Amino acid sequence: KQEVTQIPAALSVPEGENLVLNCSFTDSAIYNLQWFRQDPGKGLTSLLLIQSSQREQTSGRLNASLDKSSGRSTLYIAASQPGDSATYLCAVHFGGGSQGNLIFGKGTKLSVKP
Amino acid sequence: DAGVTQSPTHLIKTRGQQVTLRCSPKSGHDTVSWYQQALGQGPQFIFQYYEEEERQRGNFPDRFSGHQFPNYSSELNVNALLLGDSALYLCASSWGPSGPPYNEQFFGPGTRLTVL
Repeated sequence: KQEVTQIPAALSVPEGENLVLNCSFTDSAIYNLQWFRQDPGKGLTSLLLIQSSQREQTSGRLNASLDKSSGRSTLYIAASQPGDSATYLCAVHFGGGSQGNLIFGKGTKLSVKP
Repeated sequence: DAGVTQSPTHLIKTRGQQVTLRCSPKSGHDTVSWYQQALGQGPQFIFQYYEEEERQRGNFPDRFSGHQFPNYSSELNVNALLLGDSALYLCASSWGPSGPPYNEQFFGPGTRLTVL
């Protein structure tokens, strides 16, 4: 069964800290992986997309890495700010017949304290 | 450039009723996917439409059905509503097989459905 797991489920850090969110997936035959941000009661905002042939992607203070062989991705947030507080979701396009849809983790709820 | 839009924003129904949710994809996108997100969970894939046909389907009963129109917009219909259908329903759009190969999905703001 293709599954995505995110650890930790919740994280609270003081403003200014660098932090890492973890995502693991059960099948290394992936098409791509997306990281999303979700504010309470809102839709999903795409942060980064990593193709299966790529090792990492960067956007501003965000850096996402992908290691297919170990079934892991990390989202690194530099110099965290209170505005970064949200739930971060990892989603995987697995290969084969499920290529058209994303399998999501349950998310990591991040709280950045001023 | 308008992103993915969904209507209505919120909806309250009673058990047994039927509901229709609507989605307009991002400009240039021709593929629409629907997801259900229960409270505290990640979104779960319901189905995907491309060229006005259901192309893939997740593990959802036949009470969930959909449609895609020639302008690529889409509807999600749910019949015989159950309390467990209460959730945030998200629509995502992307390029189909004719577009870029990376299949990045862009999500709308969602419709919050409450079943009483």
